[in-house]
Amino acid sequence: DAKTTQPPSMDCAEGRAANLPCNHSTISGNEYVYWYRQIHSQGPQYIIHGLKNNETNEMASLIITEDRKSSTLILPHATLRDTAVYYCIVRVAVGGGADGLTFGKGTHLIIQP
Amino acid sequence: NAGVMQNPRHLVRRRGQEARLRCSPMKGHSHVYWYRQLPEEGLKFMVYLQKENIIDESGMPKERFSAEFPKEGPSILRIQQVVRGDSAAYFCANSRGNFQETQYFGPGTRLLVL
Repeated sequence: DAKTTQPPSMDCAEGRAANLPCNHSTISGNEYVYWYRQIHSQGPQYIIHGLKNNETNEMASLIITEDRKSSTLILPHATLRDTAVYYCIVRVAVGGGADGLTFGKGTHLIIQP
Repeated sequence: NAGVMQNPRHLVRRRGQEARLRCSPMKGHSHVYWYRQLPEEGLKFMVYLQKENIIDESGMPKERFSAEFPKEGPSILRIQQVVRGDSAAYFCANSRGNFQETQYFGPGTRLLVL
């Protein structure tokens, strides 16, 4: 799986949009971009994933650049409960089996009141 | 953490004892993954199982650790003769096993070895 690079930490004001960047310059054509977050001492929570088109769900939006070398996770209206470590993961997803996720250090997002 | 159950949530063992961690996946999710998170470190993949089969155990320590996912019942991660360095949070994840295999995680088991 391709390697990802994320800033170690970010601050965002409550109620504002939080934009978390991720670089994955070595991504392959069949690799998806996944985002998870881990709120302190809890299990990782799936947020969103995409291949090349932008994606949106009830939690967030995922913007993937046209060359797919980077992406941005957007939390549109951040709340204090969004304070967590956010992980950007690139992986192949194939039918019949897929390997374990490779978690990096992620971005520690701190929402300020 | 949509429905993956892990128990116990907290487990205390003395050095040399055995630890058994259980994971019950969501209905319809027949693929199970175990991860370990050491204090102040990131999550590390350990093993990937389907019913009655170990698919990938590349992240498992060579000794004292084993995992199974029997035809009936939960997946079990077993640690024999625990040492203090085994103290960590152990997370189980599951997926359906079809294309786009999103993994959903359980709440974890915190193992403390005294």
